[in-house]
Amino acid sequence: EVQLLESGGRSVQPGGSLRLSCAASGFTFSNYAMSWVRQAPGRGLEWVSSLGGSGGPTYYANSVRGRFTISRDNSKNILYLQMNSLRADDTAVYFCYGESGYAPNYFDYWGQGTLVTVSS
Amino acid sequence: NFMLTQPHSVSESPGKTVTIPCTRSSGSIDSNYVRWYQQRPGSSPATVIYEDNQRSSGVPDRFSGSIDSSSNSASLTISGLKTEDEADYYCQSYDNNNNWVFGGGTRLTVL
Repeated sequence: EVQLLESGGRSVQPGGSLRLSCAASGFTFSNYAMSWVRQAPGRGLEWVSSLGGSGGPTYYANSVRGRFTISRDNSKNILYLQMNSLRADDTAVYFCYGESGYAPNYFDYWGQGTLVTVSS
Repeated sequence: NFMLTQPHSVSESPGKTVTIPCTRSSGSIDSNYVRWYQQRPGSSPATVIYEDNQRSSGVPDRFSGSIDSSSNSASLTISGLKTEDEADYYCQSYDNNNNWVFGGGTRLTVL
């Protein structure tokens, strides 16, 4: 069974740091480009960051560039998001997402999300 | 960068057909692939359409995606509406730097 399981979300003060993890199982993780997408309470989806199957290249939304770092460990099948200098507007559910291939051999998966709350 | 604009909400009756537009503000809609995601309340998103018009695995053929260069927009059409189709729908594309751009989302009500 394919699974993406996020963890690491919690409440943190402004200016603090968190590292989110996304554990993958049931598919060949290294073949998949991975991304983080977030959703603030009651709001729409917002892309955060993406990286390729081998760990590069990396891409970041303007809102997080310079504060967040995406990475992966293909030996452990884990995707990470290191979040520094957190702000109140980073409060959101963070989803991990994986995709591979092109039509008709295209596969993609979403995790269930982990909640990050930035508040004093 | 460009924006993708969707109506905030649409509603239609069961069995009918609804089309949700997604208009690109600048640049050509056909210059980068468009995807559509369905998000039911309290759930993660799920991809329904990728590469403009390809249905994801398991998505019924009542769902279809299209691109219209004349209006610079993408559309998601759902025919034979069912109450289970009630959800938020998001379009998404890419800029030339491989950054994702999401539409604001459309709440579909089936009543």
